[in-house]
Amino acid sequence: DAGVIQSPRHEVTEMGQEVTLRCKPISGHDYLFWYRQTMMRGLELLIYFNNNVPIDDSGMPEDRFSAKMPNASFSTLKIQPSEPRDSAVYFCASSLTEGGYEQYFGPGTRLTVT
Amino acid sequence: SQQGEEDPQALSIQEGENATMNCSYKTSINNLQWYRQNSGRGLVHLILIRSNEREKHSGRLRVTLDTSKKSSSLLITASRAADTASYFCATSHGNNRLAFGKGNQVVVIP
Repeated sequence: DAGVIQSPRHEVTEMGQEVTLRCKPISGHDYLFWYRQTMMRGLELLIYFNNNVPIDDSGMPEDRFSAKMPNASFSTLKIQPSEPRDSAVYFCASSLTEGGYEQYFGPGTRLTVT
Repeated sequence: SQQGEEDPQALSIQEGENATMNCSYKTSINNLQWYRQNSGRGLVHLILIRSNEREKHSGRLRVTLDTSKKSSSLLITASRAADTASYFCATSHGNNRLAFGKGNQVVVIP
């Protein structure tokens, strides 16, 4: 199994631009999580899906952030417009059962907004 | 929201020594998990201990859980240079989310 796949691995963009991060979860996993990691705030859960349906988006910072999961093998996290404070590493993780069990993380996307 | 908090924040040890990290949490849990993160990589699950368990082993890892004190410890025995990483505890409270701590940096000096 290839594990959780994220793309791109690195993204550098200018303030105001739209950014789209992509994730392919492990096949058969029915939970998908988006996290953001910064030195100041640590690892924060942004949103998670169960069977492609968003369950809890209370961690999404503001309306500039949106996430979709059109099918079981693909999810996107979009930031529009991006701001320098969005600079962070964004992780996608998937889980076979409910979130109380182990999660498998992707390698992350390092986003830099200048 | 509940969040695991590790203590200490950074640890530097010689290869072969044991490394111990602690984690505390505020409210009751279903389980507690430990993850490792190597520099520039994603988190990797190490071990899960359920609320009705007190101790668990996996290779050189030993995890204890004291629900009365709302704390857990992770012991890495006979550390190796490859154990250099950040270690996170994460608590599950039955609502399909994991709450992660800020992490412990462990440096193992060869």
